[in-house]
Amino acid sequence: QSALTQPASVSGSPGQSITISCTGTSSDVGGYNYVSWYQQHPGKAPKVMIYDVTKRPSGVSNRFSGSKSGNTASLTISGLQAEDEADYYCSSHTSSGTYVFGTGTKVTVL
Amino acid sequence: QVQLQESGPGLVRPSQTLSLTCTVSGGSISSGSYYWGWIRQPAGKGLEWIGRIYTSGNTNYNPSLKSRVTISVDTSKNQFSLKLSSVTAADTAVYYCATDTHVTEYYNYYYMDVWGKGTTVTVSS
Repeated sequence: QSALTQPASVSGSPGQSITISCTGTSSDVGGYNYVSWYQQHPGKAPKVMIYDVTKRPSGVSNRFSGSKSGNTASLTISGLQAEDEADYYCSSHTSSGTYVFGTGTKVTVL
Repeated sequence: QVQLQESGPGLVRPSQTLSLTCTVSGGSISSGSYYWGWIRQPAGKGLEWIGRIYTSGNTNYNPSLKSRVTISVDTSKNQFSLKLSSVTAADTAVYYCATDTHVTEYYNYYYMDVWGKGTTVTVSS
């Protein structure tokens, strides 16, 4: 299984909105509504921000939202804040009963 | 709330077997509520899913690692373990254990909810 494709970096100014894409195949992203997104600050474990494409776990800011079209999922961060600067990874359950992660995106708040 | 803690040697010799344990607290590994998984991350690189196990013993592994990976569960100790054989420098990484798929009566939630803090394993002679 190949890693899902994400842009290496995305940046934005405080208050702006940014979107991170995550492209897979019909065997993972396109085939199931089981895409999740993780935020990882340096030296820390990942934290789930979105699951089932669009759902937010309790405690996650509503500035984070997810969507999917075909084989590409997206994470949008609205009202960008300094604390949002981190690495972001998408993940999808696959037709083989496994998981695959994205290549990761570094978000920089200018 | 379930909490996870990884443990094991921080240094493994090339060609040897890497062995890590994840201790579960705040819940029973036998509850059937979760699959239990392992993920790794080489320094400066992305996350790689290694595999998972359910209480029944059912496992799924990353195809690229399948020939070298074994994940097992010890319900008496509320732990699950990872063994990776024939390691090389490419296996040097931070290894995380995590809850992998939340199983309920009506729906499965396919994401990693709870993570351990991670443990660094270096493969070097």
